[in-house]
Amino acid sequence: AQKITQTQPGMFVQEKEAVTLDCTYDTSDPSYGLFWYKQPSSGEMIFLIYQGSYDQQNATEGRYSLNFQKARKSANLVISASQLGDSAMYFCAMREGRSGATNKLIFGTGTLLAVQP
Amino acid sequence: DVKVTQSSRYLVKRTGEKVFLECVQDMDHENMFWYRQDPGLGLRLIYFSYDVKMKEKGDIPEGYSVSREKKERFSLILESASTNQTSMYLCASIDGTGGASGYTFGSGTRLTVV
Repeated sequence: AQKITQTQPGMFVQEKEAVTLDCTYDTSDPSYGLFWYKQPSSGEMIFLIYQGSYDQQNATEGRYSLNFQKARKSANLVISASQLGDSAMYFCAMREGRSGATNKLIFGTGTLLAVQP
Repeated sequence: DVKVTQSSRYLVKRTGEKVFLECVQDMDHENMFWYRQDPGLGLRLIYFSYDVKMKEKGDIPEGYSVSREKKERFSLILESASTNQTSMYLCASIDGTGGASGYTFGSGTRLTVV
């Protein structure tokens, strides 16, 4: 069965520093997609970045990059130059199977990031 | 922009009541999902639907049912609310192709059962 593991319940980072949020996954399907979402205290879920299992390069979106290590089944989120507005809960998620199938998305338990001035 | 609207932001219900949580999306998406979010447990999938009148159980369907009579609306039903169903409920949708576009979430309904 597919599973997402986030082992860091909470983290601190100094403003302007980089931070890595860990995510490991488990699936037997060769085709899958990995997502990161941000949830600020307002509760909305904000899509950050996506990595497909067949993508050769690590995904990047502005200050966000995904360190995809397929053999280790890890998909860590790297936030560069942290800002106070980055303080939020971060969720890693996986869609198993090829895009366009059921599109079912499974989440990890989340990491609460606090950016300190 | 895709919009997913959940009818209530906060809801308080009594134990044993039948509760309806409504979710409407305005972009003709095939797939819709209901999750509940609890501290330390993340988001857990309750039910999902990939077409009108089609539904599949997620990881924690017990105590819940769903209805999808129209493409834009996906309702979550608590047949007899219990205190352990006090939680944040999130609805999401995505078009049938899936892909990198991500899923669009509603703003959530915080349900308290007393």
